[in-house]
Amino acid sequence: NAGVTQTPKFQVLKTGQSMTLQCAQDMNHEYMSWYRQDPGMGLRLIHYSVGAGITDQGEVPNGYNVSRSTTEDFPLRLLSAAPSQTSVYFCASSYSIARIHEQFFGPGTRLTVL
Amino acid sequence: DQQVKQNSPSLSVQEGRISILNCDYTNSMFDYFLWYKKYPAEGPTFLISISSIKDKNEDGRFTVFLNKSAKHLSLHIVPSQPGDSAVYFCAASMEADTGFQKLVFGTGTRLLVSP
Repeated sequence: NAGVTQTPKFQVLKTGQSMTLQCAQDMNHEYMSWYRQDPGMGLRLIHYSVGAGITDQGEVPNGYNVSRSTTEDFPLRLLSAAPSQTSVYFCASSYSIARIHEQFFGPGTRLTVL
Repeated sequence: DQQVKQNSPSLSVQEGRISILNCDYTNSMFDYFLWYKKYPAEGPTFLISISSIKDKNEDGRFTVFLNKSAKHLSLHIVPSQPGDSAVYFCAASMEADTGFQKLVFGTGTRLLVSP
């Protein structure tokens, strides 16, 4: 199993540009989520999904969109990038929402918005 | 409002000695506590957890202690090894209004174990 994979590893955007961060898992996990990690702060939940076609907002959803058309993929879209979205983004998955504490994390995408 | 706090941003320990990482929380509704370990350029990996109904959980060199009255938990690593050098995140979970199990992370403590 590849586990949780994320692409790209690094990305630099200009303010106002849009892009999609990719996340995929091959463990048939029901639950997937996106976090951002900023200096001096813990990981904060952006959006999550409890299954294909079902998504919901986390703590810091503004400026981001998600969709989940398949069990495997959970892309995160930045609609109009802002410098405040400069961060490291982690995708995670777990077998079920009841086992969120057993989440597997991807390696992260480091995003810089100029 | 930081509900899970790790007040020590860094800790240095010699190989073979004990490492103690601390975490404080404010919300008494948390029912599960976890520690994650993170190496540079990698995602966090789950290390050990403890339910709120217990006060200790042990897994090899790692032991987590929970003091509910003080709203404090700690991770003990004995003996510490250079490969333990990483950032350690404390996290706590609770059921949100929507029924979703919400996970709240601390800011992390960077552990350096020197030979």
